[in-house]
Amino acid sequence: NAGVTQTPKFRILKIGQSMTLQCTQDMNHNYMYWYRQDPGMGLKLIYYSVGAGITDKGEVPNGYNVSRSTTEDFPLRLELAAPSQTSVYFCASSYQQGYEQYFGPGTRLTVT
Amino acid sequence: EDKVVQSPLSLVVHEGDTVTLNCSYEVTNFRSLLWYKQEKKAPTFLFMLTSSGIEKKSGRLSSILDKKELSSILNITATQTGDSAIYLCAVEAVRDDKIIFGKGTRLHILP
Repeated sequence: NAGVTQTPKFRILKIGQSMTLQCTQDMNHNYMYWYRQDPGMGLKLIYYSVGAGITDKGEVPNGYNVSRSTTEDFPLRLELAAPSQTSVYFCASSYQQGYEQYFGPGTRLTVT
Repeated sequence: EDKVVQSPLSLVVHEGDTVTLNCSYEVTNFRSLLWYKQEKKAPTFLFMLTSSGIEKKSGRLSSILDKKELSSILNITATQTGDSAIYLCAVEAVRDDKIIFGKGTRLHILP
């Protein structure tokens, strides 16, 4: 039982490039989340999903897209990377709303 | 192995009580400790404690970092039903730029 896994661990992008951050959970959780954490700040919710085929915007969705084709996977897509997207990205999952969230190890992204 | 341990795992008190939540850590190259409150959807940031800021206070909530004991406490005075939530502790390490979360304390305030 690996929990929540994220890849890659680190990435450097040039402005305008695109990439996908991968997130997989093996706990059969319905809810999955993507957060970003800027230095000295708390977590900010980007997108979340309550089940396969259902996604919704969080606090800071601009510049990102997500999909949820399976229960296990919840990739985060950056289409045109901007320096403002330099951050640490966390994926998390939970059994349902209001339950403990399990976080992945994070992806550190730098856009230059 | 780096780890963050929170206690208790769950706590039920009556409105008006004072509660103390604990967080201990074993992390190489400690940078900061963060507290979050997790209600329905997403954790919300409460405090960040570092070597240069070991005590924070906001309203009825306060937190202290004890770098000698490698621990932190989160105090909530005059609790209200709206304080019911999961409280997460996380520690940031300089090396590997990683952040490790504890499992959280589930706090339930009875009216």
